[in-house]
Amino acid sequence: AQTVTQSQPEMSVQEAETVTLSCTYDTSESDYYLFWYKQPPSRQMILVIRQEAYKQQNATENRFSVNFQKAAKSFSLKISDSQLGDAAMYFCAYRSGGGATNKLIFGTGTLLAVQP
Amino acid sequence: DTGVSQDPRHKITKRGQNVTFRCDPISEHNRLYWYRQTLGQGPEFLTYFQNEAQLEKSRLLSDRFSAERPKGSFSTLEIQRTEQGDSAMYLCASSLLGNSGNTIYFGEGSWLTVV
Repeated sequence: AQTVTQSQPEMSVQEAETVTLSCTYDTSESDYYLFWYKQPPSRQMILVIRQEAYKQQNATENRFSVNFQKAAKSFSLKISDSQLGDAAMYFCAYRSGGGATNKLIFGTGTLLAVQP
Repeated sequence: DTGVSQDPRHKITKRGQNVTFRCDPISEHNRLYWYRQTLGQGPEFLTYFQNEAQLEKSRLLSDRFSAERPKGSFSTLEIQRTEQGDSAMYLCASSLLGNSGNTIYFGEGSWLTVV
């Protein structure tokens, strides 16, 4: 079975600085997707960034980028120029490719605080 | 596009009572998912539908839980004979089969408190 591990329950960053959130996963599959979701205090889960396992290039979305290390099964999220609005719970998630299942498997989350 | 909407947003019920949650997915999304999230944990998959067919159910979905999507649009999640351990947020999500990567969009959730 696939698992997702986020080893940092809480992180803190100064406004305008850069922070990296860690995520590791375990799978025997070769075809899968990885995601970072943000859950602000309003509780709606928002997709931040996604990565297809078959792509070697790391995904980037504005200030958000990932470091995808497939061999190491690592998928970290880097937030550059942190803003107060980035404060939220961040979840790493895994989904199998190939259509056999559509469920997302989530980690336990990292609570990010942004200090002014 | 108004996003995934869920109703009610909050529900307090007495142990043993039945509760029902409703989810309206993003229009034209043919896949709909239910997740459960407890405090300090990530969401856990419960079940998903493609159109009106329930294609996958988690072992977490005991026989007290039933989900339906009768016309392939909105969905309901009913919990019978609620227990205190059912207290959680129930998240609904939807996606469109065939879109890039099948990105899943979540609603704001329905909080259930069983007293």
